[in-house]
Amino acid sequence: QVQLQESGPGLVKPSETLSLTCSVSGGSINRNSWNWIRQPPGKGLEWIGYIDYSGSTSYNPSLKSRVTMSLDTSKNEFSLKLSSVTAADTAVYYCAREEYDLGSLFFDYWGQGTLITVSS
Amino acid sequence: EIVLTQSPGTLSLSPGERATLSCRASQSVSSSSLAWYQQKPGQAPRLLIYGASSRATGIPDRFSGSGSGTDFTLTISRLEPEDFAVYYCQQYGSSPRFTFGPGTKVDLK
Repeated sequence: QVQLQESGPGLVKPSETLSLTCSVSGGSINRNSWNWIRQPPGKGLEWIGYIDYSGSTSYNPSLKSRVTMSLDTSKNEFSLKLSSVTAADTAVYYCAREEYDLGSLFFDYWGQGTLITVSS
Repeated sequence: EIVLTQSPGTLSLSPGERATLSCRASQSVSSSSLAWYQQKPGQAPRLLIYGASSRATGIPDRFSGSGSGTDFTLTISRLEPEDFAVYYCQQYGSSPRFTFGPGTKVDLK
């Protein structure tokens, strides 16, 4: 059973960089694509971006200038950095595995999510 | 960018009733690109349906998906107490790669 677990600081100051890590167990990070998705309190889901097993990335254009994702295959984990954060970046951040089947792309495994609050 | 609209915003039903949730895309999308998720308070979303109509592993057969083009439907044939939740549709495309609908809340009447 694949399991994902986010880890991060919980509280980030405005203008600073948010850093999160997703640890993957029960499966190898050397296949599939690995995604970050966020959800502001009481609101819907927003896709942030993905990194695939080769290190190729794709980001949401709305966040692209501030997002960097990376992969650490030795630790079986991947990471998100979001720079110049504001209160609008306060959200639960999820990591999720992207799967492909029958010509379809979807998220079959998710982390439990971690709340990141941007506040001074 | 393809925008997904979900209706109704809230659906108030009783256990045993049928729930019909709609997801409409701003332009025609491939059926293979449409998925549905269920989210309960304090939990991560859970994959229900992918490819518009294929149930994910372990999903009960009371959940079914249908549709094509711009109009897609998630149907819960008989609501169980554990089905009261928020449901999101999701599609994948070119840019951004993934978008989600705003969600439909199914609550207890």
